[in-house]
Amino acid sequence: EPEVTQTPSHQVTQMGQEVILRCVPISNHLYFYWYRQILGQKVEFLVSFYNNEISEKSEIFDDQFSVERPDGSNFTLKIRSTKLEDSAMYFCASRAGSWGYTFGSGTRLTVV
Amino acid sequence: AQKITQTQPGMFVQEKEAVTLDCTYDTSDPSYGLFWYKQPSSGEMIFLIYQGSYDQQNATEGRYSLNFQKARKSANLVISASQLGDSAMYFCAMREGRGTSYDKVIFGPGTSLSVIP
Repeated sequence: EPEVTQTPSHQVTQMGQEVILRCVPISNHLYFYWYRQILGQKVEFLVSFYNNEISEKSEIFDDQFSVERPDGSNFTLKIRSTKLEDSAMYFCASRAGSWGYTFGSGTRLTVV
Repeated sequence: AQKITQTQPGMFVQEKEAVTLDCTYDTSDPSYGLFWYKQPSSGEMIFLIYQGSYDQQNATEGRYSLNFQKARKSANLVISASQLGDSAMYFCAMREGRGTSYDKVIFGPGTSLSVIP
């Protein structure tokens, strides 16, 4: 069964450093998403992306965050200057058409 | 306002018994979908079951069934014959803006299920 692949599974970074989280969505999917889950809390929508541009973003997705689909297969989330409160599990998801959401297994980001 | 409510922060069930996890939702969108996901301690999000707002019958997937009561805006998950491996966090989620570029999934706060041997 096709999968959404996220790398790395766990990343540790120093506060103030830039970090890029990588996702490979399912190949025929057209819509892409990033979600965040702070430890012990609920999963929060960050951003949706379609046709090489952001469709919608939440209040969390401020100027420190950016997304890109650089080569037609990868979908990345960049955090420019990480803060301690950015520590969370980050999930990528993709969708083909009417309902086919598929989530990746997540990247656990730890900011120290 | 909360769009997805899960009133049971924690639940216990005896192995081999059935358990119902509650979920209520709020939307004015006539076309929506409801999901249940399982999140074990390892952290990944595992899709369990989906119900579309126009689906006439309740969704079932193996031991999982979704008790969809549209008028009451509830979408409870029923797990039959609980197994120790069912111990996990369970999230109810709703998809709004179905089929549009604003289509996204919103998650509830989750219910932690513990299966007792």
